[in-house]
Amino acid sequence: SQQGEEDPQALSIQEGENATMNCSYKTSINNLQWYRQNSGRGLVHLILIRSNEREKHSGRLRVTLDTSKKSSSLLITASRAADTASYFCATDRYNFNKFYFGSGTKLNVKP
Amino acid sequence: EAGVTQFPSHSVIEKGQTVTLRCDPISGHDNLYWYRRVMGKEIKFLLHFVKESKQDESGMPNNRFLAERTGGTYSTLKVQPAELEDSGVYFCASSRGVSGNTIYFGEGSWLTVV
Repeated sequence: SQQGEEDPQALSIQEGENATMNCSYKTSINNLQWYRQNSGRGLVHLILIRSNEREKHSGRLRVTLDTSKKSSSLLITASRAADTASYFCATDRYNFNKFYFGSGTKLNVKP
Repeated sequence: EAGVTQFPSHSVIEKGQTVTLRCDPISGHDNLYWYRRVMGKEIKFLLHFVKESKQDESGMPNNRFLAERTGGTYSTLKVQPAELEDSGVYFCASSRGVSGNTIYFGEGSWLTVV
C-alpha cells in the first residue's frame, strides 16, 4: 500500500506558535499535496510539491519533501485559531490525480 | 466560478435501500473523481472519469457501486443495496487536466446507513 501516515495524529498548540506535521509514504511518487479539512467540510488544497522539489512556501505554509526518506513535513507558522482543522497529505504516484491519502493530523489552535 | 457541488449533503438511509449521490464539477473540467472516507479509515480513491469515460475505476469496492457520467458533465454514484459499512463521506473532485493540476474537492456527501 502507498498510503501515507501522518504524525502526530493530533496536535494542540496556542495561537501564535508554529505547527509541524509530518507525512511518510511507502513508494515512489510524482508529487505530494497537502489538504486541509475543516470539521464537516470539504478538502481544501493547500500546496503541491513535486518529486524534484525539496521545499515550497505559500504564505505561512512551508512544505519540505525528502524523497530519500519518503517523507514530507508541513509547517504552519504563527498559527491562528482559524487554522484549526485536519490536515492530510496525499501522494500521487503517476501524476493522474489518483491520490493516496494519509490518516490526517487533527490540529487544534487555542486562542 | 462555482466550485464542485455535491447533492445531497447528508443522507440517512436504511440498509438495503438505494442512494444516488450527484456531483457537478467545475465547468470546463474534463476530469472528475470520486473519493470516500468511511468511518475510521483513510480517504480512498474510487474512480476517475475523463469526460464521460471511466479512466480508472480500480478503487470501486464492489458491484453495489455504480458511477456514471453521461454526457461528460455531472456524475452520479449509486449504491444499491446500501450496507452499514458504506457509511461515510463521499467526496467528488474535478480538475481541468491531470499532470499535477490542482484538483478541487466538493463539500462531500455524508451518508449514514442504519
